[in-house]
Amino acid sequence: EVRLVQSGGGSVKPGESLRLSCAVSGLIFTKGWMNWVRQTPGKGLEWVGRLRRRSDGGTADYTSPVKGRFTMSRDDSKNTLYLQMNSLRTEDTAVYYCVTGGGDYGFDFWGQGTLVTVS
Amino acid sequence: EVVMTQSPLSLSVTLGKPASISCRSTQGLVHRDGHIYLNWFQQRPGQSPRRLFYKISNRDSGVPDRFSASGSVTDFTLKISRVEAEDAQIYFCLQTTHWPYTFGQGTRLEI
Repeated sequence: EVRLVQSGGGSVKPGESLRLSCAVSGLIFTKGWMNWVRQTPGKGLEWVGRLRRRSDGGTADYTSPVKGRFTMSRDDSKNTLYLQMNSLRTEDTAVYYCVTGGGDYGFDFWGQGTLVTVS
Repeated sequence: EVVMTQSPLSLSVTLGKPASISCRSTQGLVHRDGHIYLNWFQQRPGQSPRRLFYKISNRDSGVPDRFSASGSVTDFTLKISRVEAEDAQIYFCLQTTHWPYTFGQGTRLEI
């Protein structure tokens, strides 16, 4: 069974930082790209970024709202994906999901979601 | 950025009747590899999205066959042949052909 278990959400003030984690099991982590997606009642679902697997360069792409402030990384030895969020803004308040997608895997496995509140 | 526009945004359907949701993109979704990466998702409030279809019409495991999906290039449709109570959820289209990947606004299906 594939599981993506998220941790690290919470409530912070504007300008502060937070790191989210996503522990993956049940698939070969190194074969897939990984993604972060966020959801708000107002804006709906929004892509945050994608992180290639090491064999595809291991680089990341980010969407405009978070570029320069958020950084995705992965620890293949721990099968874990991270999202470092700096200089948080009130508009970053959302439920954040880690998602498989790219490489050998489709966008069919999602974490349980973690709420980040910036206020 | 490719904008995905769903319609309607809200849909009220009688049990046992059909339902149809449209999703249109502002650019063609044909990838350079020739595939069209259009996905459909279903989501209950408070839960993670669940993928129903990928590459327009490929049904995910466990998705009832009353659901079908079709379309091409810029126009896509999700259909439910006979709506059941458990189908009262929110449905999203997602394109993963062009970066950044983008979702439709979501369609709320009510019974």
